[in-house]
Amino acid sequence: SQTIHQWPATLVQPVGSPLSLECTVEGTSNPNLYWYRQAAGRGLQLLFYSVGIGQISSEVPQNLSASRPQDRQFILSSKKLLLSDSGFYLCAWSAPPLYEQYFGPGTRLTVT
Amino acid sequence: RKEVEQDPGPFNVPEGATVAFNCTYSNSASQSFFWYRQDCRKEPKLLMSVYSSGNEDGRFTAQLNRASQYISLLIRDSKLSDSATYLCVGRIGNTGKLIFGQGTTLQVKP
Repeated sequence: SQTIHQWPATLVQPVGSPLSLECTVEGTSNPNLYWYRQAAGRGLQLLFYSVGIGQISSEVPQNLSASRPQDRQFILSSKKLLLSDSGFYLCAWSAPPLYEQYFGPGTRLTVT
Repeated sequence: RKEVEQDPGPFNVPEGATVAFNCTYSNSASQSFFWYRQDCRKEPKLLMSVYSSGNEDGRFTAQLNRASQYISLLIRDSKLSDSATYLCVGRIGNTGKLIFGQGTTLQVKP
């Protein structure tokens, strides 16, 4: 069966510091991968998605970037965090034909 | 207009009640629909896919009306453990991108 891992679970970082969140998927090949952010009390905002190694599509302009160095690894990064980057970051995977998305446990980021 | 719209609630119902959530979507090209459940401070979890013919999974029934562009979720015999936020979700195109509604909050009271 497929599993998806994210780490760390929680993170507190000062403004201006860098960020690296990692997501890995097991039990499937060539999945579509997604990064979402959910601000407190808000809905899910799609940040990036990837249909293959090195293929990244950005949904919103911001100071975040994503990379997919391996088939089942997806990384979210920032060079300098802003206060507005605080939120719950979720990684998800999907596959055809229905593209149901399955989410990792998330990383709760607080920028101070 | 949001692509997927839901009444945010909260819906407060007693245990054992039947509750229905509706959701409307604006893009007629939407291909697939889902209901997700999200508990407080947790990740969303797939509750069920929604098929044109309607589908049922235990106490949960999902319906899709393409002509009117709405999706519904019916929960029968509500349990305290059903308390959560229910997300209505549509998929457009073949990229696998999903469009999430803002969610409807359900509180089941004893």
